Amino acid sequence: DTGVSQNPRHKITKRGQNVTFRCDPISEHNRLYWYRQTLGQGPEFLTYFQNEAQLEKSRLLSDRFSAERPKGSFSTLEIQRTEQGDSAMYLCASSQSRYYEQYFGPGTRLTVT
Amino acid sequence: AQTVTQSQPEMSVQEAETVTLSCTYDTSESDYYLFWYKQPPSRQMILVIRQEAYKQQNATENRFSVNFQKAAKSFSLKISDSQLGDAAMYFCAYYETSGSRLTFGEGTQLTVNP
Repeated sequence: DTGVSQNPRHKITKRGQNVTFRCDPISEHNRLYWYRQTLGQGPEFLTYFQNEAQLEKSRLLSDRFSAERPKGSFSTLEIQRTEQGDSAMYLCASSQSRYYEQYFGPGTRLTVT
Repeated sequence: AQTVTQSQPEMSVQEAETVTLSCTYDTSESDYYLFWYKQPPSRQMILVIRQEAYKQQNATENRFSVNFQKAAKSFSLKISDSQLGDAAMYFCAYYETSGSRLTFGEGTQLTVNP
């Protein structure tokens, strides 16, 4: 069990550029979640996958955001045409099933200039 | 929609003493879990303790224990024998088993004074 990993840890981009983040969950976990956390706030749910199926998306996930989890393993979160309001920490979590706790990765800090 | 409220933005405690962090939540569901997560300055979220709503017994993990009052929708975290390494932001979180998402409170910043 190597834990949830996320790459990159930090990303600085200019407004209007596209960015992609990667999350590798704990290997036996079939659920994968994305959250967004702004400074001084608790994380907010964005979306989750069960295996390769994306089963729920928050209204926070605008059409500029897309997430995938091919083959039910790692996941990517892409933000197109970034805006300054997208600056935040993007957290990934995984769980073994809906009855088990979610384990979080270290996050990707996005800064849009 | 479910909401989670942490009314103490900041708390401080002397090393070796006990501190209690408060959390209340609002839900109409009967089957759910409650969690406390810790986020140190390095920012990786760490699970501290978990409570199933159907269990009457309060959860305990070493120096961490909860006071779960289901009727009052209250879920406080007690940290005994506080250590410098306990300093962090603590988040209370709600999860209903029919759903998927964790709903977090605003967090309580805990300072441990030597």
